[in-house]
Amino acid sequence: DGGITQSPKYLFRKEGQNVTLSCEQNLNHDAMYWYRQDPGQGLRLIYYSQIVNDFQKGDIAEGYSVSREKKESFPLTVTSAQKNPTAFYLCASSKGGNSYNEQFFGPGTRLTVL
Amino acid sequence: GQQVMQIPQYQHVQEGEDFTTYCNSSTTLSNIQWYKQRPGGHPVFLIQLVKSGEVKKQKRLTFQFGEAKKNSSLHITATQTTDVGTYFCAANTYSGAGSYQLTFGKGTKLSVIP
Repeated sequence: DGGITQSPKYLFRKEGQNVTLSCEQNLNHDAMYWYRQDPGQGLRLIYYSQIVNDFQKGDIAEGYSVSREKKESFPLTVTSAQKNPTAFYLCASSKGGNSYNEQFFGPGTRLTVL
Repeated sequence: GQQVMQIPQYQHVQEGEDFTTYCNSSTTLSNIQWYKQRPGGHPVFLIQLVKSGEVKKQKRLTFQFGEAKKNSSLHITATQTTDVGTYFCAANTYSGAGSYQLTFGKGTKLSVIP
């Protein structure tokens, strides 16, 4: 069964702690993305990667970091430098990074920082 | 970066009524994609429009791309409770070095009153 998995579905952390969100895909897609969704704000791009060992900042990269050591995996770390980390985080992938590929989304991780 | 304006933000309709959401850009778009996110779920790709003036239909859903490729619309005929969710348009924007990113509108949240 192909798709994108994100874990966990809900995550609680104390303020000041770093936290890493998992994203795995078995679609053999080259490109992967991280979005943040806040109520009424749509989806905002945090980071994206078109190929292993390479990634670029999106519109709201400050306070976040990523790695792309394997094609299947694109973990996102929310650092203590992110001022307002509580949000719904969505991972997505596509066949390639060109403009005509649809994106497939994972189920998301809802992060709450207390 | 390029912005995609989507209106209305919310729409409440009686079951059986029609529904339309609009997406506008100040610049010419290469293509536009539409996604649907059910409550508590993740965005799912619906369709992509590429050609000027293009019209595509999926059962009760009609998608249009403007002649100038600066606007798009999604129209649902005779809404059903299964249509409930948030509908997003997304435009591909060139972010340099051969990379593209999807810029999402803020979405239109559709509620259907049975």
